[in-house]
Formats: sequence, structure tokens, C-alpha cells
Amino acid sequence: GQQLNQSPQSMFIQEGEDVSMNCTSSSIFNTWLWYKQDPGEGPVLLIALYKAGELTSNGRLTAQFGITRKDSFLNISASIPSDVGIYFCAGQGGETSGSRLTFGEGTQLTVNP
Amino acid sequence: EPEVTQTPSHQVTQMGQEVILRCVPISNHLYFYWYRQILGQKVEFLVSFYNNEISEKSEIFDDQFSVERPDGSNFTLKIRSTKLEDSAMYFCASSGDSGEAFFGQGTRLTVV
Repeated sequence: GQQLNQSPQSMFIQEGEDVSMNCTSSSIFNTWLWYKQDPGEGPVLLIALYKAGELTSNGRLTAQFGITRKDSFLNISASIPSDVGIYFCAGQGGETSGSRLTFGEGTQLTVNP
Repeated sequence: EPEVTQTPSHQVTQMGQEVILRCVPISNHLYFYWYRQILGQKVEFLVSFYNNEISEKSEIFDDQFSVERPDGSNFTLKIRSTKLEDSAMYFCASSGDSGEAFFGQGTRLTVV
């Protein structure tokens, strides 16, 4: 199946700093989504991207769908303590995956006040 | 705001027993999914369901697993004979035509 490589695995930052994380795939996706997961909770959708090259913002979050359709990044500006959690990218559609979501390994974000 | 709800939140079962995990998807959604997440790992796709039938399933979704939409609101995942390695968080999700999947809070299944 399709594999997503997400980096970095973990980040430790100070409150107020900007954060960037990204995902790459060996094959194309039609849709990229970014989720945040708090401990013991389900993933919560942050941003969905539908077109290659698309840049979308949601408050302090900005995400882009790569031109090649094989990558995406998520930026968080001016981080705050409640940004702590695990961030997952997910790809949908493309060469083999249909409607299923293929998730990355996740980026564990820690924000120090 | 509409949400996906799952019950129970935590289930402990003996190895070899059958379990049924229940989900109520968002009411106007047509696509339903089950995913699982082993502790500390990524979320893995199990099965998708559309128009009252399985539309896609992963290699994890073997003959021990089945899904059902017994009425207009519930969507269930059954594991016939649980194994220790079935211990995980199981997430139900649903989506409309946009493809944006919304997840429930999960059921933590512990097989002992």
C-alpha cells in the first residue's frame, strides 16, 4: 500500500515559536488532510487540501498541497501551550487508496510555556 | 455541532470472546469507516462502507472482522474471536461527498 513519511517525529519548542512539519509519499494523493490528536481522543480534522499547489489557512495553521501531489506541509505560527499533541498527515485517493485515509507516523509537539 | 459517537469508550474482553463496537456516524454522511490505532502507533485503515456494503478493506480486516449497519443510524464492528494483538483504540469515522472524514472519540479495546 501507499506509505507516508512524516517528519519530524517530535518537536520541543518554546511558546510563541513557529513550527513546521511535513509529509512525503512515494505515490500521489488526490487529497491531503491534517489532523491533531490529544491523548485518549480521536483525531480532529484541522485542514483539508484538494488541489495541487493549494495553500490553505485556518487561524494560526497553514498547510500546502505539494505541486507533485506527493507531499504536504503544515505550519503553526506563534505556538501556544494548547497546541501540544500529535499531528498526523493523511492522504486520500490517488493511485491505489480509494476513499481510505493513509496516515503518517505523526509528529509529537511539545510546547514549553 | 454534529459528531461521531462511539460506545463503549472502553471494553475489556477475554481472548477468544466476541466483541461488538458501536458507532453512530454523522447523520447526513454516506461513507463510514473503521480505523484502529495500536498504542503509540499511527492510525491504520480497516474498512470502508458505502451504500450498505463494504467498499474497501485492508489486509488487517480478515475473516474475524465484520461490519454492519443494522438500522438507519448505527454502524458496528464485530470481532468474532478476539486475540491479544487486537488490543487497540478503534475509531469510527464518517464523511460526506467532500471526503473529509470526522472521527469519533474511539473505543479502547483491551484483550486479556
